[in-house]
Amino acid sequence: DAKTTQPPSMDCAEGRAANLPCNHSTISGNEYVYWYRQIHSQGPQYIIHGLKNNETNEMASLIITEDRKSSTLILPHATLRDTAVYYCIVRASGSARQLTFGSGTQLTVLP
Amino acid sequence: DGGITQSPKYLFRKEGQNVTLSCEQNLNHDAMYWYRQDPGQGLRLIYYSQIVNDFQKGDIAEGYSVSREKKESFPLTVTSAQKNPTAFYLCASSIDMETQYFGPGTRLLVL
Repeated sequence: DAKTTQPPSMDCAEGRAANLPCNHSTISGNEYVYWYRQIHSQGPQYIIHGLKNNETNEMASLIITEDRKSSTLILPHATLRDTAVYYCIVRASGSARQLTFGSGTQLTVLP
Repeated sequence: DGGITQSPKYLFRKEGQNVTLSCEQNLNHDAMYWYRQDPGQGLRLIYYSQIVNDFQKGDIAEGYSVSREKKESFPLTVTSAQKNPTAFYLCASSIDMETQYFGPGTRLLVL
């Protein structure tokens, strides 16, 4: 699976959009971009994933650049409960093995 | 409610003792996984199972054992051979080997 690079930490004001970047310059054509988050002392939570098109669900939007070498997770209206470590993971379709979690980005939503 | 449950939330192990962590899911998922997370670190795969009565070692299987006698259950035993068992243990399941859904975790401490 391709390696990802994320900033170690970010702050965001409550009610504003949180934009979390991820670089994955060595991504292959069959690899998806996944985002998970982990609130302190809880299990990780799936947020969204995509291959090449932008995706949106009830939690977030995922914007993938045309060359697929980077992506941005957008939380449109961040709340205090969105404070967590956010992980960007690149993974081939059909891979039965583990998710490889890097260090992630610690997002702190400030009141 | 569908989901993954792990028990206990906290577990204490004495020297030389084997302990078993429970993981149950009612999501009808075929694949199940066990990860270990150390403070400030990402997740590392211990074992995974794609189907009942079959499982494979992950990256750090030494000192651990699993069984998969039922689709709903994937217990993890931390044996006395695991010399540094203190960690946060996470169980996950997946229906399509793409998106993984995590339980709340068990924190194992050594007395």
